Amino acid sequence: NAGVTQTPKFQVLKTGQSMTLQCAQDMNHNSMYWYRQDPGMGLRLIYYSASEGTTDKGEVPNGYNVSRLNKREFSLRLESAAPSQTSVYFCASSEGFSSTDTQYFGPGTRLTVL
Amino acid sequence: KNQVEQSPQSLIILEGKNCTLQCNYTVSPFSNLRWYKQDTGRGPVSLTIMTFSENTKSNGRYTATLDADTKQSSLHITASQLSDSASYICVVTGGSNDYKLSFGAGTTVTVRA
Repeated sequence: NAGVTQTPKFQVLKTGQSMTLQCAQDMNHNSMYWYRQDPGMGLRLIYYSASEGTTDKGEVPNGYNVSRLNKREFSLRLESAAPSQTSVYFCASSEGFSSTDTQYFGPGTRLTVL
Repeated sequence: KNQVEQSPQSLIILEGKNCTLQCNYTVSPFSNLRWYKQDTGRGPVSLTIMTFSENTKSNGRYTATLDADTKQSSLHITASQLSDSASYICVVTGGSNDYKLSFGAGTTVTVRA
C-alpha cells in the first residue's frame, strides 16, 4: 500500500496563476484533510472532507477550494495564487472522523509563489 | 495565540543520550494528545496517543507522559539514535469541535554521532 500520495512534490507559481494539488489514499479511509505548514507555526487545517460527498472549511480556507472527487481522491485548488500561499501543503486521511482516529499524512507539496 | 506550545524549539544531543521534550496546552475541553514524528521532507507520523485517563504511553524508545491537571505533556527519547533526528510535534484534540486538532510548532531534534 502506498498510503497517502500527493502530486506534485514541488511547484513554483507566479502571482495570479492557478493550480490544483492532487491527493489520493489507498487505505479506504472515509475522511480526508488539507493542511498547510509554515516555518515556526503548527500545521493549520485548510479544508476537510468528513466523508465522501461532503467538504467543510477549516481554520484557513480563504483563497482555496477543494473537491472530494471520490472516496480515494481529494484535491486542493488555488484559483489565483498569492505569495502568502507559499507553504508546504500536506494531505491526510483517517478511517473515521472522531478524535481518536489517527490521521495519516502524505509526503507534502512544497509550493513557492513568486 | 497558539493553544499548544512546545519547548525547546530545537536541541542537539549525542547519539546514545536521552532527551525530553515538553508540550503545554490550553485546549479545553480536552479529548486526547498525540505526539507525531516528522522527518525532514516527509509528512508527520503518529507515535503515541493518550486520552484523559492515561498518564503514560510508550512506543519503543519513545515514552510520552500526560498530566491533564497541569495541561502538560512530555516526550522522552531513550538511548537516541541518528534516525531520531526529526521534528516532534505535539497535537491536542478537543476544544469547541471534538475533531479539531491543534498542532504545536514542533521541537527539532538533531542527534550527532
